[in-house]
Amino acid sequence: DTAVSQTPKYLVTQMGNDKSIKCEQNLGHDTMYWYKQDSKKFLKIMFSYNNKELIINETVPNRFSPKSPDKAHLNLHINSLELGDSAVYFCASSQDRLQPQHFGDGTRLSIL
Amino acid sequence: QKEVEQNSGPLSVPEGAIASLNCTYSDRGSQSFFWYRQYSGKSPELIMSIYSNGDKEDGRFTAQLNKASQYVSLLIRDSQPSDSATYLCAAPQAAGNKLTFGGGTRVLVKP
Repeated sequence: DTAVSQTPKYLVTQMGNDKSIKCEQNLGHDTMYWYKQDSKKFLKIMFSYNNKELIINETVPNRFSPKSPDKAHLNLHINSLELGDSAVYFCASSQDRLQPQHFGDGTRLSIL
Repeated sequence: QKEVEQNSGPLSVPEGAIASLNCTYSDRGSQSFFWYRQYSGKSPELIMSIYSNGDKEDGRFTAQLNKASQYVSLLIRDSQPSDSATYLCAAPQAAGNKLTFGGGTRVLVKP
């Protein structure tokens, strides 16, 4: 059973479109995260939710909007996609902020 | 100053040798530290956690933590070509909710 699963694995779309990425974890963790990893491979936190409450909101364009319907799910919606949004987006979860995080397989977003 | 720093590499080691990776951090309040391995095109995978000063061994991996000097290291003994990957060091901030990652060290194990 996959612990942290995100869909889709690949997303190829045109500039200006709106897209969503979904994430689900079955580990019973309270905290979920979205990361962006760019071409230089640096892993940067975007958002974090603890039990459906937003606790981290880094300097991210407001075109990015996370939503957590329950503590096992954290989705990411992106409006008006730009070329610079091309990256791999990882979802992760942990029991709390001091515990190690478990990552999903990533969503590779390519903007044409 | 970056909060968690690593040498980007690549660190090239011959098969069977010891690979030594270092990581320094700036937040003196950090209490736990993690090493992740990331193969190209894959997601980060947790390989070691360390919470107290000293050494922690798990198979061919040994993590070393020195809080006074603010560094944490990872040793890979008997390196194998399958160990070729990027290794990420991470530490939760003492205040706030972030787990801060270093930029990663790329390791190449040559047969």
